[in-house]
Parts: sequence; structure tokens; C-alpha cells
Amino acid sequence: DTGVSQDPRHKITKRGQNVTFRCDPISEHNRLYWYRQTLGQGPEFLTYFQNEAQLEKSRLLSDRFSAERPKGSFSTLEIQRTEQGDSAMYLCASSSSVDEQFFGPGTRLTVL
Amino acid sequence: AQTVTQSQPEMSVQEAETVTLSCTYDTSESDYYLFWYKQPPSRQMILVIRQEAYKQQNATENRFSVNFQKAAKSFSLKISDSQLGDAAMYFCAAQGGSEKLVFGKGTKLTVNP
Repeated sequence: DTGVSQDPRHKITKRGQNVTFRCDPISEHNRLYWYRQTLGQGPEFLTYFQNEAQLEKSRLLSDRFSAERPKGSFSTLEIQRTEQGDSAMYLCASSSSVDEQFFGPGTRLTVL
Repeated sequence: AQTVTQSQPEMSVQEAETVTLSCTYDTSESDYYLFWYKQPPSRQMILVIRQEAYKQQNATENRFSVNFQKAAKSFSLKISDSQLGDAAMYFCAAQGGSEKLVFGKGTKLTVNP
């Protein structure tokens, strides 16, 4: 299967720690998106890359959040000094055009 | 800014029956796309159906069809011949002026045998 993959699938951390998530998109997709989904809500957009360029960032993405896509392939999302409010499912999606976004299984973050 | 509203937190349907999930949206864009995504329990989100706003014809995909009312900014999903595997969270989403998807809060669909 060559779908979108995310690692780790689950992460438990203590408040104040830094965490990093990885997303590997479908290989031919040049667009990569990050979303955050809290319980009982739909996904909320965080940021978007086209190739290695970060083209859009949500106001939800505070200074503690940073995302990279260094070679236009995989992407990382880092959260510094985690807070309990950061507990959520972090979803990655990729696409080849302004069209269907293919989602990964997500990384569930729990901040204690 | 775009907004998407799903007013039905939960719906249920008997197997083999038809169910309609509601969605309304608001956008200032003239060119936009609308989507329904399905998120089964503990599984990843998959696209069910999409509609380009400039197309008047309602999209259909096998047992899934939409009723797109552009003037009313309504985009409902009809599932015919419901199957147990249709049980999931269903999210309505809009995309326009930007590549990001804006999602509603979702509708949890239960299919009763």
C-alpha cells in the first residue's frame, strides 16, 4: 500500500516536552497538508506545503508549532513546550492538484 | 472566510434504507469545491464524493449522491441501500480561494441491522 503514512501513531508526553511527528505523502504528490482534529470536531487546517515551500499557515499555528518539508517529500511537525490543549489527532494529507486530499491515519497526541 | 455547518450530530438508518445527511456552507468565493469525507472508527478519512460549484449536475458515486443547491448554499449527502460498512463519521468540507479544506463538525451515522 502506498498511501499516506504517519509516525508515530500514538504519542504520550508530559507538559512542557517537545514532540515531533512525521508524515510521508503519496510519492507523486507535491502538496502536503497538516490538520488537527479534537474530539467531537472536524479537522482544522494548520499548514500547507507545495513541494518544499510552506504556502499557508493557520492562525492556529502558534509560535510553538513549526513544520518543515525539507526536500519536498516527507514533512515533520514539531510542537515545542507542549500544553494540555495540544492533545488532539494530528492528520496529514497529500494531493497532486487542487482536488482530492488523501489522508493518513493520524498521530494521536496526549499531553499529560 | 468559509464556514461549514452540519446540524445533525447523529443519524441512524436501517440497513438497506436511505438516509440523507445535511450540510450548509457559506463562502464568498465564486469558484469552490464541496466534499463529503467518511471517517470510520479508528480508521483514516476517505473521500466519498465531491462537487465542483460551477457544475449544475449533482455528483453521484454508486450508492452515494448529493443534492447541491447553490443558491441556498446547501450540500446534502444521500446514501441509498445503506450497508453496515457505511457506519462512520461523515464530514462535509469546502475548498475555495485556498487549498485548505474547511470541515463541519461531522455527523455520526449508525446503521442498524
